[in-house]
Amino acid sequence: DGGITQSPKYLFRKEGQNVTLSCEQNLNHDAMYWYRQDPGQGLRLIYYSQIVNDFQKGDIAEGYSVSREKKESFPLTVTSAQKNPTAFYLCASSDTVNTEAFFGQGTRLTVV
Amino acid sequence: RKEVEQDPGPFNVPEGATVAFNCTYSNSASQSFFWYRQDCRKEPKLLMSVYSSGNEDGRFTAQLNRASQYISLLIRDSKLSDSATYLCVVNISGYSNASKIIFGSGTRLSIQP
Repeated sequence: DGGITQSPKYLFRKEGQNVTLSCEQNLNHDAMYWYRQDPGQGLRLIYYSQIVNDFQKGDIAEGYSVSREKKESFPLTVTSAQKNPTAFYLCASSDTVNTEAFFGQGTRLTVV
Repeated sequence: RKEVEQDPGPFNVPEGATVAFNCTYSNSASQSFFWYRQDCRKEPKLLMSVYSSGNEDGRFTAQLNRASQYISLLIRDSKLSDSATYLCVVNISGYSNASKIIFGSGTRLSIQP
């Protein structure tokens, strides 16, 4: 059945290591998004992409990188330049400009 | 100034009460509007879209005022199961039909028995 899959659900990394979070969708959606959520806070936009091979920075892009080589995939790399990487990361996709976003179940990243 | 601002909450209300959430947005290029619900440690899920004419879904009513750039959500006869965080969401159109979806910081609602 259709949906958005994020993996893994929990991820632990040592400080200074880059880590890549996976996001795959089979909804045939054009737009995909990455958000970060800290405890008790709302969602902040990291990167978004409207079409393959194109993406834009969101409000908190520093220390992150993305790629959009395929329509169904939008991986996020948390680099060592991100000072506080421990957070809940949510990937979403939407069909057109005016439609709602559908979310994956999220990845909880803990950097120790 | 944040692009989407909400009442910070938390709202602690007794079961059966009516509760209202407000949200304002700053970007006039905002095209579509939604309310999402997020349960603790879960992903947000769509509660309802918000239309200019206002819309109702059971105990939930959403209103949009484009002139004032204001969105509201009303919950009537609140249930214990309504306890969650409610997120105001705005889809902002940019150039070349690119758009981004911006979330408010959320309002936490706790229904008391």
